[in-house]
Amino acid sequence: EIVLTQSPGTLSLSPGERATLSCRASQSVSANSLAWYQQKPGQAPRLVIHGASYRAFGIPDRFSGSGSGTAFTLTISRLEPEDFAVYYCQQYGSSYSFGQGTKLEIK
Amino acid sequence: QVQLVQSGAEVKKPGASVKVSCKASGYPFSGYYMHWVRQAPGQGLEWMGRINPGSDDTDYAEKFQGRVTMTTDTSTTTAYMELSSLRSDDTAVYYCAREIVVVPAAGGSYRWFNPWGQGTQVTVSS
Repeated sequence: EIVLTQSPGTLSLSPGERATLSCRASQSVSANSLAWYQQKPGQAPRLVIHGASYRAFGIPDRFSGSGSGTAFTLTISRLEPEDFAVYYCQQYGSSYSFGQGTKLEIK
Repeated sequence: QVQLVQSGAEVKKPGASVKVSCKASGYPFSGYYMHWVRQAPGQGLEWMGRINPGSDDTDYAEKFQGRVTMTTDTSTTTAYMELSSLRSDDTAVYYCAREIVVVPAAGGSYRWFNPWGQGTQVTVSS
């Protein structure tokens, strides 16, 4: 089973700042099947990025994804108040798994 | 629009079973895998398994083998997840999610979950 490790666990930033979230895999993952989800309290997860770097429909262009192999990154260029949430990476290899999440909180 | 609507909250006693439904609309139900993911209080997302509504083929996470059963009813475009022998640590929000699979000409596949149902709270308590 591929284990995804996200860092940091919590990221405290202010609106307007840049956020960089990391997702590392225990073995190489196809970028095709690396996705990022945003979850706000009391809500279901929402797709942000698929295929490691493709924004989902309706996601603002301040969100970008990159990476390959075992290291992937979600970047939010200028944080808006609505961006503060928990973010999960997810992969499909021989099975499916999620990272443990990064909480992006207002500083 | 594409929508997944889940059944309401459940309270069960240890040892009982629970069956959660997920009504799909806005797309050809049989053409997309349906997945189930759960989230314990204050915890992350845990993949439970998936079902192909077109064939009823299933893949379950090893952790849930023998306790989970996923089914579909194509006449009502509804997916079901039944979990048996419930324990207190099964207390969680259970989500269904549609999987999108794109196979490019170069090979491989792109996969992601979109959309998700709103979630169903299952509480296991004596």
